[in-house]
Amino acid sequence: QKEVEQDPGPLSVPEGAIVSLNCTYSNSAFQYFMWYRQYSRKGPELLMYTYSSGNKEDGRFTAQVDKSSKYISLFIRDSQPSDSATYLCAMSGLIQGAQKLVFGQGTRLTINP
Amino acid sequence: DTGVSQDPRHKITKRGQNVTFRCDPISEHNRLYWYRQTLGQGPEFLTYFQNEAQLEKSRLLSDRFSAERPKGSFSTLEIQRTEQGDSAMYLCASSLGPGGYTEAFFGQGTRLTVV
Repeated sequence: QKEVEQDPGPLSVPEGAIVSLNCTYSNSAFQYFMWYRQYSRKGPELLMYTYSSGNKEDGRFTAQVDKSSKYISLFIRDSQPSDSATYLCAMSGLIQGAQKLVFGQGTRLTINP
Repeated sequence: DTGVSQDPRHKITKRGQNVTFRCDPISEHNRLYWYRQTLGQGPEFLTYFQNEAQLEKSRLLSDRFSAERPKGSFSTLEIQRTEQGDSAMYLCASSLGPGGYTEAFFGQGTRLTVV
């Protein structure tokens, strides 16, 4: 079983739709939860990160963490064609003396004008 | 330039040859990660340095792979006797510790093609 599971999609939605992206994880040692965005042929860029269970909002983006269920989500409101990219969830925790950073498989998202 | 720099951006090599990639992290960052990413997959962890110490190496990494970070500055990743299955994007990231997670900044990656 992978430490982080993410539905790879692809996901295609019309402009203006609400997008929901999800990941589950198995290691309780993960304490930090991130969403990265990756455009084609580029390195990942951090979009949002959270530490505690609950919601964190940043503009059109909302990150949600449920530690009891080991489940995280990213919601994108009023989606734009420029949001088309691969979205990677990532988790981090101090495990055996190393600050481990593990990624999900990535969900490829296309917003259609 | 204050970002993470990787060199080369692209590398084409024949099967069986050795290749070496370089990563220059953000100058004050003491944590450095190497990942491998294939098409349609997320970054797969390879190895992690804190300063010059290699603290973790993936069990998936064969003995053909080796990484160094002399003096805790730049890092190199060497692949010996390359195989076609090594074709991938190799990503380097750096962050600042100690303490918990801090933002990991990624380089643009080195795309390796083994023919």
